[in-house]
Amino acid sequence: ETGVTQTPRHLVMGMTNKKSLKCEQHLGHNAMYWYKQSAKKPLELMFVYNFKEQTENNSVPSRFSPECPNSSHLFLHLHTLQPEDSALYLCASSPGTGTKNIQYFGAGTRLSVL
Amino acid sequence: DAKTTQPPSMDCAEGRAANLPCNHSTISGNEYVYWYRQIHSQGPQYIIHGLKNNETNEMASLIITEDRKSSTLILPHATLRDTAVYYCIVLNYGGSQGNLIFGKGTKLSVKP
Repeated sequence: ETGVTQTPRHLVMGMTNKKSLKCEQHLGHNAMYWYKQSAKKPLELMFVYNFKEQTENNSVPSRFSPECPNSSHLFLHLHTLQPEDSALYLCASSPGTGTKNIQYFGAGTRLSVL
Repeated sequence: DAKTTQPPSMDCAEGRAANLPCNHSTISGNEYVYWYRQIHSQGPQYIIHGLKNNETNEMASLIITEDRKSSTLILPHATLRDTAVYYCIVLNYGGSQGNLIFGKGTKLSVKP
């Protein structure tokens, strides 16, 4: 148990669906992250939030829309995805965004786009 | 691009020490070496980090060469649960953005 909980753990959706991934952290951290891990590829950073403000968008397509209503919750809204978006989506949190801060990861949501 | 080079895979016998190497020949003076691991179907887990002195915690030891161009992560008594992909990451300590850049890592298989 890392203190970072992601739901759902598995998700199957069609290309026309709209779904959301949820991440919640119980560590009192101020920074939260979304990463994508495709098969046989390294983890890729998608978004960074610090104190609810987005500080980084790593050239992610607009069909991925993040939302951070407070420092404990992070969402990733999905719409009109493509099959190549099938991947493991990981959420992480840390006390701050500086490199002194260790990141704690959730177990991820395994997404399949049909 | 990741600034580190790691062997793609290694095997280790259960109960023996696992020594995982990492090459970071272009590391600069203000960059630290971090290690994370990812057990199958889980998110990455922080293990240890260091600058130039050897470091030890309850999970592992980190040995950094004097020229800092390479390091070794040591799991002193590997168990089957240590089977995972191990990532060596170089970060500019004190930077405002601590974004982790993951390479392909080393897949460690601990065998009975």
